[in-house]
Amino acid sequence: EDQVTQSPEALRLQEGESSSLNCSYTVSGLRGLFWYRQDPGKGPEFLFTLYSAGEEKEKERLKATLTKKESFLHITAPKPEDSATYLCAVGKTTDSWGKFQFGAGTQVVVTP
Amino acid sequence: DAMVIQNPRYQVTQFGKPVTLSCSQTLNHNVMYWYQQKSSQAPKLLFHYYDKDFNNEADTPDNFQSRRPNTSFCFLDIRSPGLGDAAMYLCATSRAGGTNEKLFFGSGTQLSVL
Repeated sequence: EDQVTQSPEALRLQEGESSSLNCSYTVSGLRGLFWYRQDPGKGPEFLFTLYSAGEEKEKERLKATLTKKESFLHITAPKPEDSATYLCAVGKTTDSWGKFQFGAGTQVVVTP
Repeated sequence: DAMVIQNPRYQVTQFGKPVTLSCSQTLNHNVMYWYQQKSSQAPKLLFHYYDKDFNNEADTPDNFQSRRPNTSFCFLDIRSPGLGDAAMYLCATSRAGGTNEKLFFGSGTQLSVL
């Protein structure tokens, strides 16, 4: 059965304390892996797309990496405004374009 | 700014009373989606439209229906809401055929069922 699992469920960081979030997937045929940020009471906002193992993407303090079984979202020297829930989503080659399976997310809280 | 707009932001309905949620987009995207997201859970795809073609997920209850009268608008109808249907409903869009499958989400409608 296809699964997308994110860990940890929640993460509390001090400002400046770097950490990583994990998204592991067991799908047959990866079309792409996507990271989104979701603020409370709002819809998810797109961050990155990764298509193949070894690929990396960066945006400000965030860096996403991809292996054949998992993806990591690294947060370097986080600030309080990085507090959010981070969702990963996986598209399978056997699914239609634009269809994804989401993980449950990692809730990140960054304290000053 | 081009965007995805959902109305209302908060909706309260009674058990069994039909409710309609609306979504509009100014992005001119050809694919529109409805997701259900319960607290601390993954967004769950209910259905999506690829242009006018309707695609229902196999496990979407019959209680949920959708209409897309034109490119810009999409509606989610819940015929007889139950307590278990209380959730955030997210509308999203994407442009098929592009180089990036990223979704653009609205801010969601939080549905409460009393």
